[in-house]
Amino acid sequence: QSALTQPASVSGSPGQSITISCTGTSSDVGGYNYVSWYQQHPGKAPKLMIYDVSNRPSGVSNRFSGSKSGNTASLTISGLQAEDEADYYCSSYTSSSTLEVVFGGGTKLTVL
Amino acid sequence: QLQLQESGPGLVKPSETLSLTCTVSGGSISSSSYYWGWIRQPPGKGLEWIGSIYYSGSTYYNPSLKSRVTISVDTSKNQFSLKLSSVTAADTAVYYCARVIVGATCVDYWGQGTLVTVSS
Repeated sequence: QSALTQPASVSGSPGQSITISCTGTSSDVGGYNYVSWYQQHPGKAPKLMIYDVSNRPSGVSNRFSGSKSGNTASLTISGLQAEDEADYYCSSYTSSSTLEVVFGGGTKLTVL
Repeated sequence: QLQLQESGPGLVKPSETLSLTCTVSGGSISSSSYYWGWIRQPPGKGLEWIGSIYYSGSTYYNPSLKSRVTISVDTSKNQFSLKLSSVTAADTAVYYCARVIVGATCVDYWGQGTLVTVSS
């Protein structure tokens, strides 16, 4: 069982917006602004899309945005495009034991 | 452009030790702004943080694997390594090496990943 909880799947039509949630605890998501989001296409390594809750690395489309409220972080993708179809993972720093970083179980985004 | 490349056997027998090395090119492993991690992904499943190491040698391990994991760094070769002992079929996964940003605790560079299968 993953430390962070994500929905298994979400879907949306081209042009629409979707939001993926990531729920943790006060020891990870709720306690620190170190939430990241990764996009992974089949057979590829993950790609960093959001870090520090809401910051985008250089080169990432501004259609991707992140936010946090309490123990739940969210990734919003606006203006959905076919190329956005992928798996998305959240991660967070954790103060729990020696683990340091925990991942969510992943969310499969389907663009209808 | 920074590149990370995993290397090591793709097939390991049960109860033996899995050994992988990550070679970093295009940047120094001794930078104080980053540390270096191993992440794995069983086929069809999600990501799991294995552990990480700073260039000084300080390490963090996933408690669920801590008794079997050793991560080391060789700054002279710009490499870091993973050893996972007493492997079982449950350790079959794609293993990624990664660069982690100090503070943000996020991975900004990933290796391409290498599939390690545990089977006799």
